[in-house]
Amino acid sequence: ETGVTQSPTHLIKTRGQQVTLRCSSQSGHNTVSWYQQALGQGPQFIFQYYREEENGRGNFPPRFSGLQFPNYSSELNVNALELDDSALYLCASSFPGPTYEQYFGPGTRLTVT
Amino acid sequence: DAKTTQPTSMDCAEGRAANLPCNHSTISGNEYVYWYRQIHSQGPQYIIHGLKNNETNEMASLIITEDRKSSTLILPHATLRDTAVYYCIVQAYITGANSKLTFGKGITLSVRP
Repeated sequence: ETGVTQSPTHLIKTRGQQVTLRCSSQSGHNTVSWYQQALGQGPQFIFQYYREEENGRGNFPPRFSGLQFPNYSSELNVNALELDDSALYLCASSFPGPTYEQYFGPGTRLTVT
Repeated sequence: DAKTTQPTSMDCAEGRAANLPCNHSTISGNEYVYWYRQIHSQGPQYIIHGLKNNETNEMASLIITEDRKSSTLILPHATLRDTAVYYCIVQAYITGANSKLTFGKGITLSVRP
């Protein structure tokens, strides 16, 4: 069974640029969630995709957007990057069930200069 | 905001039991208690969850008080590899999706040789 994978591992961007991060969910999981983790903080929920539709969003501006594809992989797009967007971006997949676990990928470290 | 309160840090000796406390005095009847941990530079990892009964798996035991206002995660024989940030999360089960995890800052467990 393949776990959650994310690419790239590290990324450096300049303020104002746009970035796309990618996530492949664990086999059989149709729900993908994205989290942002600033240094020294716990992960903060950005949004979730379920069966290719956004299904829940945290307190993040519209310049954070995403997609989920038919194979349940997902992308996180961030436009007009700001210095505060520097963080570890985590993807988690899950399969809805009576009580479920979320399986996290290793994350993408984004640095905005 | 996170619905849980955890100490900032604790340590224990290798081979001894690590008892990690969590307060969740406002927990609702349909909310579960989840524990995740995050080893440095990795994504969070699910450990265990419970509703009102004590639970045990191959990683840990979860003891929930009768009034459900607090719980304790027990690592029976801590090893150096258990050094991590441990997050206690309360969350209701919701069918389908919209199942974000609300992380606090967690408790940093340091296992000393």
